[in-house]
Parts: sequence; C-alpha cells; structure tokens
Amino acid sequence: NAGVMQNPRHLVRRRGQEARLRCSPMKGHSHVYWYRQLPEEGLKFMVYLQKENIIDESGMPKERFSAEFPKEGPSILRIQQVVRGDSAAYFCASTLQSSYNEQFFGPGTRLTVL
Amino acid sequence: EDKVVQSPLSLVVHEGDTVTLNCSYEVTNFRSLLWYKQEKKAPTFLFMLTSSGIEKKSGRLSSILDKKELFSILNITATQTGDSAVYLCAPSGGTSYGKLTFGQGTILTVHP
Repeated sequence: NAGVMQNPRHLVRRRGQEARLRCSPMKGHSHVYWYRQLPEEGLKFMVYLQKENIIDESGMPKERFSAEFPKEGPSILRIQQVVRGDSAAYFCASTLQSSYNEQFFGPGTRLTVL
Repeated sequence: EDKVVQSPLSLVVHEGDTVTLNCSYEVTNFRSLLWYKQEKKAPTFLFMLTSSGIEKKSGRLSSILDKKELFSILNITATQTGDSAVYLCAPSGGTSYGKLTFGQGTILTVHP
C-alpha cells in the first residue's frame, strides 16, 4: 500500500510566479490536510479537504493561496504570485476519516522562492 | 487560540538513557493527541491517544494522556542514536475536529 505521495519534492520559483503542489493520499483515504513548515518554525495547519469539498480553510492566507481536491486526481495547493516569505516545506497528510484516525504524512514539497 | 507547549525544547543524552518528553495543550473540541517523529523529512506517526490513563507502547516507546490536566508524555527507554529526531506532539480538534495543532517539538540528540 503506497503511502502519501507528493510532487514535486523540490520546487524553485521566482517571485511573482505560480507554484502548484500536488498530493495523492493513501489508497482508500478521502480526507486531505495541508500543513506548512516555515524555517525554524513548527508545522501549521492550512486547509482540510474532502473530495470536492473544502471543510476548513481557516489556516490559509486570505490571498494568493487556494486548494482543491477534485473527484479524480490529486489534491492541489496553488500559490499565485509567490513571494520570498512563501519559502517553506509544505506537507500533506491523509486519513481514512477525519478526527478518529491517524493522519499519515507525505514527504513534503520544499518550495524555494528566489 | 489553540496552544501546544512541549518541553524540553532540546535534550542531549547518551545511548542507554531514558528520556521523558512533555506536552501540554489547550485545544477546542479536543478529539485525540498524536505523537510524531520527524527526521528532516515527513513526520512519522508514533501514537494516537484518545483515552486518559491508558498507556500505549511500541517497543521502547510509550505514551500516556491525561485529559483532565491536558497533558501527555512520551517515554523512550534505552535510547539509541537512531532515536535522534524532533518529536512532535499534535492534539486534534478545532472547528473541523481533524485539524492538528503542532507544538514546537523537542529536539532529541542521542550520543553513542
């Protein structure tokens, strides 16, 4: 059973470009969480999605950030017009159900904004 | 605002020592508390605790939750150099219940 997959593992963007981060949950999992880890900081919740639904986006910055989890395909975290402060590791986690099951993390995408 | 405090922030021990890592939390709509190990990559799941006073064990690691005092500990006995990592405590809860709130972590370094 493959684990949570994320790609790309490393992404370099120049200021003003767009970044698209992908997350494929574990087989059978239909809930996805995105977390961000800024340098020298802890992991911070960004958004919680189920297939075709955003359940909680209370941790998402109000502008430039969006997330989706379509019926088919991976979950996408999209950052428009990136700035240097967006440089971080972005992790997704998946779970079978929301609050009663363990969240398993993917390897993360390290975004560097030049 | 949800809050998680881990202590100590860092710990240096020698192989064979026993360590206790602490986690105190304040989280709305608390559901469970999870412990993870992070070694420069993705957090690796260790334990999920939902009930007070019931110890969970996995090899040399064990953990227990106190829901009255809002506290959890992670014990590692007979430490090995491979235990060197950041240990993260993360209660789940919040408005959507499943959201994890992470502490800063405890950096454990085990010397041979």
